[in-house]
Amino acid sequence: RKEVEQDPGPFNVPEGATVAFNCTYSNSASQSFFWYRQDCRKEPKLLMSVYSSGNEDGRFTAQLNRASQYISLLIRDSKLSDSATYLCVVNPPPNSGGSNYKLTFGKGTLLTVNP
Amino acid sequence: DTGVSQNPRHKITKRGQNVTFRCDPISEHNRLYWYRQTLGQGPEFLTYFQNEAQLEKSRLLSDRFSAERPKGSFSTLEIQRTEQGDSAMYLCASSSRKGSQYFGPGTRLTVL
Repeated sequence: RKEVEQDPGPFNVPEGATVAFNCTYSNSASQSFFWYRQDCRKEPKLLMSVYSSGNEDGRFTAQLNRASQYISLLIRDSKLSDSATYLCVVNPPPNSGGSNYKLTFGKGTLLTVNP
Repeated sequence: DTGVSQNPRHKITKRGQNVTFRCDPISEHNRLYWYRQTLGQGPEFLTYFQNEAQLEKSRLLSDRFSAERPKGSFSTLEIQRTEQGDSAMYLCASSSRKGSQYFGPGTRLTVL
């Protein structure tokens, strides 16, 4: 089982649609969780952290289910500018003597929002 | 611009040549990371520095790869005897002790 698995996509949606991204992770001891956004041929940029209680930032809602090892991202009222690849990212537990900030990325899900 | 910077942005080299990339982190960040990203994949962790100390290396980092951060500021990643399989985007990120990682624009390497 891969460490972080995402919907393979791609997703094509009209403007104004609601779109959901799903992600599962394999290591139950993982410590922190994020969604990053990556535009074509650009670097990943942090979209939002994901907290156990769920969190919202404008049109974006992230949820975490530790029991199911499942993370989701919901985008409401999608805009053309939301078109990008969405990367599910997990910070696994530290290795002995090592860091606890090594990020593990999923393959990403490409979203295209159409006019 | 006070973000993470990387140089060069693009590098084309012939198989067997050595290449070196540079990363300048955000100035107040003491942690620096290198990742590699190939087409259709998410970034994969290569190595991590806290100040000048290299604290973790992925098994992806073969003995042809070496990274340094001599004064705890900028870092270099060198690949010796490049192979076609080394073609990828090499991303650098930095963070403060408890902060999120911020990525630079990457160096795109093409090995012919």
